[in-house]
Formats: sequence, C-alpha cells, structure tokens
Amino acid sequence: SQQGEEDPQALSIQEGENATMNCSYKTSINNLQWYRQNSGRGLVHLILIRSNEREKHSGRLRVTLDTSKKSSSLLITASRAADTASYFCATVPGTASKLTFGTGTRLQVTL
Amino acid sequence: EAGVTQSPTHLIKTRGQQATLRCSPISGHTSVYWYQQALGLGLQFLLWYDEGEERNRGNFPPRFSGRQFPNYSSELNVNALELEDSALYLCASSSQGQRGTEAFFGQGTRLTVV
Repeated sequence: SQQGEEDPQALSIQEGENATMNCSYKTSINNLQWYRQNSGRGLVHLILIRSNEREKHSGRLRVTLDTSKKSSSLLITASRAADTASYFCATVPGTASKLTFGTGTRLQVTL
Repeated sequence: EAGVTQSPTHLIKTRGQQATLRCSPISGHTSVYWYQQALGLGLQFLLWYDEGEERNRGNFPPRFSGRQFPNYSSELNVNALELEDSALYLCASSSQGQRGTEAFFGQGTRLTVV
C-alpha cells in the first residue's frame, strides 16, 4: 500500500496562478521529499523537509510539514506552463531506509 | 558529472521471456533502488541494493530479482514475463541509503510485454 496519498489527483490551473498539492502519510517519518516527473520519465528531486522542520522554501516552491496531522503541502507560486508534470511526495518511514512514494498529483498549467 | 543511467530505454519482450534491465548509479553512490511504475500509477518499490547486498525487497514475486556489482551498478531481471509486467522501471541511487538524502533517478526503461 502507498505510504503517501496526494490530493488532488489532478489539478488544472492557468499560468500565473498558484498550485497547491497536499500529501498525507500514515506512519512516523524521518523526512518527506517532493519529486517531479515529466511525461513518464525519471523523477527529479525538488525539496526535502526533515521531521523537525515545519516549512522550507526553494525558489517558487514552498513546502510545509505538519507531523501532528501527518501531512505536507507543496505550493508552487506563479506557475508556468513548464511546471506541467506529475508531483509525488515520498517519505522515509520510521526506521526504514527506502523512499515510499504516494500516487501523485498531475498538474496541468495552461497558457 | 554523469547522472544515473539506465539501459535500454525501451524494451519489448514476449510473454514468458526474460528481461534484463541495467542501471549505473552516480559515482560515489553505493545504494541502488529499483521501482516499478505501471501506467498512470505511483511508484512501487521493488529492490534496494547497497554495498553489493540486497537490503530490502518490495512485495513482488521471486521472478523479479537483481544484483549489484562491485562497481555498484545493478541489474534487474524479470523472468517468465507477464503482460502485467509492462511498466516503466526506474532506478535511483543515493549515498548511504535514502534515509536522510535525496535520491537521484534515471530516465527509466519502458518495458512492454506483448
């Protein structure tokens, strides 16, 4: 079963708008990571947030983590058509040492 | 610096055959992970190799196997191929396991079983 579940499954917005994706997970984690996948190719790491961090920024990306709710959100500000991709959250649960991925959010940014 | 490389890019096999997929990690990375991504689905963890040994295995039948070589490159073998094995197979590498660091992914091998 998936450790992480992203919401929504799909999101369509216009260029310039902000996109928010949420991720919920089930067990305690060491860290949570967000990845991006273009057109069924390899995944690209976007950002890692550790369990003792609450918020992290990287360029137009902002990630929050609420360990009490076992949830995280990824905000992409001022979206561009090039941001069109699938976004996955991944967690390293507890004592495990492998990334467990969610089902992903498909983001479509239109001109 | 070269990233994670996978070969071949595409592979078409007939049901019942065997497939071999290859992965070269980033230089200096000792851990290699294999994931299966069926069309439209998330990534399912297959195998984790570190320092030449299998460290963890996902919920897949024994006909999915692999190995890691002394130079840390890895092979994934799928025996007795079934139609449902058609998927994108992704390899990732990291240093010292994925616990605290990001994973770097290859572009994947798209396996089609006909």
